[in-house]
Amino acid sequence: EAQVTQNPRYLITVTGKKLTVTCSQNMNHEYMSWYRQDPGLGLRQIYYSMNVEVTDKGDVPEGYKVSRKEKRNFPLILESPSPNQTSLYFCASSLRGTPSGYTFGSGTRLTVV
Amino acid sequence: AQKVTQAQTEISVVEKEDVTLDCVYETRDTTYYLFWYKQPPSGELVFLIRRNSFDEQNEISGRYSWNFQKSTSSFNFTITASQVVDSAVYFCALSEDYRGDSSYKLIFGSGTRLLVRP
Repeated sequence: EAQVTQNPRYLITVTGKKLTVTCSQNMNHEYMSWYRQDPGLGLRQIYYSMNVEVTDKGDVPEGYKVSRKEKRNFPLILESPSPNQTSLYFCASSLRGTPSGYTFGSGTRLTVV
Repeated sequence: AQKVTQAQTEISVVEKEDVTLDCVYETRDTTYYLFWYKQPPSGELVFLIRRNSFDEQNEISGRYSWNFQKSTSSFNFTITASQVVDSAVYFCALSEDYRGDSSYKLIFGSGTRLLVRP
């Protein structure tokens, strides 16, 4: 089944404790993105990657890191999480050149206390 | 700059009523794509429709219909005979063109929460 898999679905952590949210897709998509969803703000892009080893900042990159060492994986790293990073996170992938719509993961609800 | 505005924060209707969710967008691109996504209470994002800027035909899918008007930069979504299962947050989104490629980024509106009461 074609899908984007995020883990974990739920995570509660403490301020400053490094964490990684994993994202993997099995559709051989070039593009991958991370979004965060906050009430009243919709979804905002954090980082995106147009292919292996090609990443760039989205609209709200502060406090996040990403890497794209393999085409299928695009982990989101919070080196020192803070409470303002409490949010719902979505990973998404897309086939380049054909805006067939993004395929989204199921979301990761992160709480930083 | 590209922007999507969903002015209706929350709408409440009684089952079987028709409801229209508004979406207004801004873009300088001549080629762009518009999307609607549904987010039910379970939290996942469900793709509903994609429309490109050159196709202004309205679309109907069952109880759902979409009205795309370039003259007013709007892409409104109507649910006919609403049902309780339609209760969700609905997002309108615009894909931004980058070097001729429109598939790398979605710009979302803030969403409209629809509550359909029995």
